[in-house]
Amino acid sequence: DAKTTQPNSMESNEEEPVHLPCNHSTISGTDYIHWYRQLPSQGPEYVIHGLTSNVNNRMASLAIAEDRKSSTLILHRATLRDAAVYYCILSLGEWADKLIFGTGTRLQVFP
Amino acid sequence: KAGVTQTPRYLIKTRGQQVTLSCSPISGHRSVSWYQQTPGQGLQFLFEYFSETQRNKGNFPGRFSGRQFSNSRSEMNVSTLELGDSALYLCASSIQGTGGIYEQYFGPGTRLTVT
Repeated sequence: DAKTTQPNSMESNEEEPVHLPCNHSTISGTDYIHWYRQLPSQGPEYVIHGLTSNVNNRMASLAIAEDRKSSTLILHRATLRDAAVYYCILSLGEWADKLIFGTGTRLQVFP
Repeated sequence: KAGVTQTPRYLIKTRGQQVTLSCSPISGHRSVSWYQQTPGQGLQFLFEYFSETQRNKGNFPGRFSGRQFSNSRSEMNVSTLELGDSALYLCASSIQGTGGIYEQYFGPGTRLTVT
């Protein structure tokens, strides 16, 4: 199974941009990159996913390196509600029906 | 639309007993996945069902089993409970979209404590 590597923790101040990195050097050509986050006392929630091109949605942006060996989740303006554990996950081929979670990055946001 | 619901939310069982957890997916979602979350091992994939068939399975012993009904509701069963089975059990449902990629919607989980 392709693996991802993320920093254990990161800190940010409210209303500042946050760049959460993820390394996935063994990614295969058909693996999609998914990001989920888990707020305290809740189940994980989907944030964004992509294959090769950068992606934007209402929650965040996903920047994917040209060689696809790394990606960065960008929160444009962090809020206190964004404090969570962020997981970078590679799907096994085409289907995202089996998510292999790593240890994730715990993001702290300070007022 | 109602989210994924899991029952019960909390459960206390004794070693050696068995337990059944229930998950109701979002209406229209046909795929249901189960995950175990513990402080030591993090989030681990248990199995995934689609149209009443187990399509994917994680690396858990046979004591962990599941099934899915025709209305997509799913149950997971753990027999002969061990102390190490104490965990948060999360259910997620999803709908297949174009290209086969779809997001998973997680429920709040069932907190199982084995004493």
